[in-house]
Amino acid sequence: KNQVEQSPQSLIILEGKNCTLQCNYTVSPFSNLRWYKQDTGRGPVSLTIMTFSENTKSNGRYTATLDADTKQSSLHITASQLSDSASYICVVSDRGSTLGRLYFGRGTQLTVWP
Amino acid sequence: EADIYQTPRYLVIGTGKKITLECSQTMGHDKMYWYQQDPGMELHLIHYSYGVNSTEKGDLSSESTVSRIRTEHFPLTLESARPSHTSQYLCASSEAGNTDTQYFGPGTRLTVL
Repeated sequence: KNQVEQSPQSLIILEGKNCTLQCNYTVSPFSNLRWYKQDTGRGPVSLTIMTFSENTKSNGRYTATLDADTKQSSLHITASQLSDSASYICVVSDRGSTLGRLYFGRGTQLTVWP
Repeated sequence: EADIYQTPRYLVIGTGKKITLECSQTMGHDKMYWYQQDPGMELHLIHYSYGVNSTEKGDLSSESTVSRIRTEHFPLTLESARPSHTSQYLCASSEAGNTDTQYFGPGTRLTVL
């Protein structure tokens, strides 16, 4: 069964600190992996997307890594801000599907305290 | 910010009522999707559409129905709402191609009493 597992389930950090969120997946065949940010009461917004050949992608203070061999990804947030408080969702797409079938993790709930 | 809209944002209704959740996008995307999300859980695909007059059921069984008469509009209907339908419903759209990013609307929080 294709799955996407994220850890930790929740995380609290102080403003200005760095943090790393983890995503392990078993989706096969693999097409791409996305990290989304979902603010409370809002829809998810895409942060990064990585294909099989990419092992790192940055978007401002967000840096995602991908190890396709071990099927692991991480999202590193640098110098956290209060506005980073949100749920971060790892989404993996399989290959060969005209739909681009997406498999969603349950997300890591990040809270940044002042 | 994506140009995809959902109304209403919040809805509280009684059991047995018929409801329609609206979703519209102004990006001209062919593909549209409906997801259901419970607190702390992953998104589950309940319906999708490749284009006008094309609708398919997703992975999660749902008693809702959808229609796609216009490219920009993808409403979801529940003929008789029940408390088990209480959830957050998210609409999304993407361009053709299976690697394109999905753009999500703000969601509708539905509570059925």
